[in-house]
Amino acid sequence: EAGVVQSPRYKIIEKKQPVAFWCNPISGHNTLYWYRQNLGQGPELLIRYENEEAVDDSQLPKDRFSAERLKGVDSTLKIQPAELGDSAVYLCASSLQGWETQYFGPGTRLLVL
Amino acid sequence: DQQVKQNSPSLSVQEGRISILNCDYTNSMFDYFLWYKKYPAEGPTFLISISSIKDKNEDGRFTVFLNKSAKHLSLHIVPSQPGDSAVYFCAASDQGAQKLVFGQGTRLTINP
Repeated sequence: EAGVVQSPRYKIIEKKQPVAFWCNPISGHNTLYWYRQNLGQGPELLIRYENEEAVDDSQLPKDRFSAERLKGVDSTLKIQPAELGDSAVYLCASSLQGWETQYFGPGTRLLVL
Repeated sequence: DQQVKQNSPSLSVQEGRISILNCDYTNSMFDYFLWYKKYPAEGPTFLISISSIKDKNEDGRFTVFLNKSAKHLSLHIVPSQPGDSAVYFCAASDQGAQKLVFGQGTRLTINP
């Protein structure tokens, strides 16, 4: 069974530029999560989807971040415009149901110059 | 505020010995705890979990202990193997919030 797929794996952009990350969860997993992991820290939840619905986006900085999960499968996370402090690893995770056992993708490492 | 804390950024252990990783939490509403393991350039993978109704859960070489009164949990790995070298994250949740709060991670190095 394929795991969570994320692309790109690495992205380098200049500040004020837009950037987008893509996630394909494990087939059949209804719940999808986006996390941000800063250097030396643990992952922090940005948004959680149950199928197409964003059920928890309380930690998403809505002035510059947006996310969507069309048809309840793939998801994209966008930052516009990017700031220096957005440099981090962006992790996508999915679970069949519930939140206990989440399966993580390899992440996208973003560097904003 | 950091609700889940792993105060040791790194730990070095001899192969074959016991590795003990520690985690403290502040939120008394947390009732489920997990450990994740992360290799470089990979996402975290689930290792072991424990519910607050238990004080110990064992899976092969891995055992998690929970001390609710002290708001402390630990992961024991016996015997430690070179493949255990990774970053270990402690995570906690209350089942009402349905989200995980992670610690900062501890980098474990197993020396041959």
